[in-house]
Amino acid sequence: EPEVTQTPSHQVTQMGQEVILRCVPISNHLYFYWYRQILGQKVEFLVSFYNNEISEKSEIFDDQFSVERPDGSNFTLKIRSTKLEDSAMYFCASSGGLDGTQYFGPGTRLTVL
Amino acid sequence: AQSVSQHNHHVILSEAASLELGCNYSYGGTVNLFWYVQYPGQHLQLLLKYFSGDPLVKGIKGFEAEFIKSKFSFNLRKPSVQWSDTAEYFCAVNALVNSARQLTFGSGTQLTVLP
Repeated sequence: EPEVTQTPSHQVTQMGQEVILRCVPISNHLYFYWYRQILGQKVEFLVSFYNNEISEKSEIFDDQFSVERPDGSNFTLKIRSTKLEDSAMYFCASSGGLDGTQYFGPGTRLTVL
Repeated sequence: AQSVSQHNHHVILSEAASLELGCNYSYGGTVNLFWYVQYPGQHLQLLLKYFSGDPLVKGIKGFEAEFIKSKFSFNLRKPSVQWSDTAEYFCAVNALVNSARQLTFGSGTQLTVLP
């Protein structure tokens, strides 16, 4: 069964550094998403991406964040200058066009020191 | 804006007990409803979903959920839990506004099943 994959599984970085989190969505899916879950808190929507552009973003998704689909398979989330409060589990998800069910990857745990 | 409430933060049951996890959402329009499960160390997996039609939906591993529109609820049930059902369970809503597709999650319910 096709799955969403994410790399790395765990990223440790210093405050102020840039990080890029990578995702490979399910191959025939058209919509891509990033969510995050700060330890002990809810899973929160960050951004959705369709047709090579952002279709929705939350207030969390400020100018420090960007997304890109650099080729036909990868979907990346970049945080330009990480802050301590960016420490969280980041989940990528994808969905096909028909019913919108989102399938999640295993997540990347980001630790900002 | 839509919101989702899961009132049970931690539920502890013995094997073979029946389970019901509450989920309420606030949004007056058409919604799609989901339950996801996260087993220890694993990613979010879809348990079941409701889009339309029969309000009683069946999912994987013997789980089911009932959509009650008048109560804005989508409670998850299982008649007899197993130790392997120990996991965190998340209710999520996708309000169909302007083709918006973002999921709004509840805070999750940690289920511990004692052998």
